[in-house]
Amino acid sequence: TQLLEQSPQFLSIQEGENLTVYCNSSSVFSSLQWYRQEPGEGPVLLVTVVTGGEVKKLKRLTFQFGDARKDSSLHITAAQPGDTGLYLCVSYNTDKLIFGTGTRLQVFP
Amino acid sequence: GAVVSQHPSWVICKSGTSVKIECRSLDFQATTMFWYRQFPKQSLMLMATSNEGSKATYEQGVEKDKFLINHASLTLSTLTVTSAHPEDSSFYICSARAGQGRYTFGSGTRLTVV
Repeated sequence: TQLLEQSPQFLSIQEGENLTVYCNSSSVFSSLQWYRQEPGEGPVLLVTVVTGGEVKKLKRLTFQFGDARKDSSLHITAAQPGDTGLYLCVSYNTDKLIFGTGTRLQVFP
Repeated sequence: GAVVSQHPSWVICKSGTSVKIECRSLDFQATTMFWYRQFPKQSLMLMATSNEGSKATYEQGVEKDKFLINHASLTLSTLTVTSAHPEDSSFYICSARAGQGRYTFGSGTRLTVV
């Protein structure tokens, strides 16, 4: 079974700071997704990456897929309170999703 | 598009009673739906895969008789927590596969058993 380890587990920062969240897999990803979940809600898809070395940007969020497709990172520039939430990397195949351990981000004004 | 509606959003029940949670795909047909459990400040844990017209596939360690799943139509899957106990209190989330690589999640149900 594929295991996805995220780091850090918790991150508490001030508005305007930059941060990076990492996701490491015990095996090669077929495809990888990043989700954000706010308290009391279901996860919402941010991005899907498929190709090794791929970089995608979503406003202040930059997603990178490792060349070997065993790791990924999410970088947030100038974090804002609205970025607060649980960030999840997810491996998906034709059967089901496998969730990472999660990174809980708190951005203070 | 690809909206999943989950009800109720929260429920409080007494120990020993059963609780049913519904997951509906509103604008697409979902042959496969998934049920997750999430403990406070933790990630989602897959409980079972619900297949329309057939038996659900449960993950290791999940009690089939405790968590009954029914997927009787292409738009509805239900999870029934039978004889609920306080340790069953949790946040339950459903999702549906809306296409290749597209998974849509319900807004979750917070179950509290007293």
